[in-house]
Amino acid sequence: SQWGEENLQALSIQEGEDVTMNCSYKTYTTVVQWYRQKSGKGPAQLILIRSNEREKRSGRLRATLDTSSQSSSLSITGTLATDTAVYFCATDAWTGGLSGKLTFGEGTQVTVIS
Amino acid sequence: EAAVTQSPRNKVAVTGGKVTLSCNQTNNHNNMYWYRQDTGHGLRLIHYSYGAGSTEKGDIPDGYKASRPSQENFSLILELATPSQTSVYFCASGETGGAPAETLYFGSGTRLTVL
Repeated sequence: SQWGEENLQALSIQEGEDVTMNCSYKTYTTVVQWYRQKSGKGPAQLILIRSNEREKRSGRLRATLDTSSQSSSLSITGTLATDTAVYFCATDAWTGGLSGKLTFGEGTQVTVIS
Repeated sequence: EAAVTQSPRNKVAVTGGKVTLSCNQTNNHNNMYWYRQDTGHGLRLIHYSYGAGSTEKGDIPDGYKASRPSQENFSLILELATPSQTSVYFCASGETGGAPAETLYFGSGTRLTVL
């Protein structure tokens, strides 16, 4: 899992397998966002799950959120080599006002071997 | 799709020198952000802005200044660069202000090396 001062986690899997990565957060958040960062690129948002949702799906992605344990997970089914990337969770401590600043976890490096 | 462009892509600077990193977005987003990413770690917020003329301190602002002269442009300035500022810097713009669950659109990053 990722958060806090943990170093980057790493997972290596075979193409076609499913993978799940976890994230725990320390403070109240209205949403958890999951971002993917491919080598040499900036992060790009994959999925957003709100505090009143327990599960959110988008194509091969499934995100869950458990506000009682302050944790979230991202699952990818039927992985492809192109899913190789670092995956970040990010929380938004929005308390009103103009914007909620995102706080990013340390990331999970997923390598899909074809 | 949202477009955020950073320049330069790579920069080598000397200790004590001044460095300016530039960011341009063409999406008319109100909010813009500067993050740094160190090897094996997540992104940490340096400065952000709610619109032209505004800058706010993020979580690690020491040693950095920011400037937002227009809706489209947001710069990060290192007045006296130090080797500890060697990192990859990402600029991002936010989809809307005033609401939670803002989606960030990131540029491709600037790799800065301070010798």
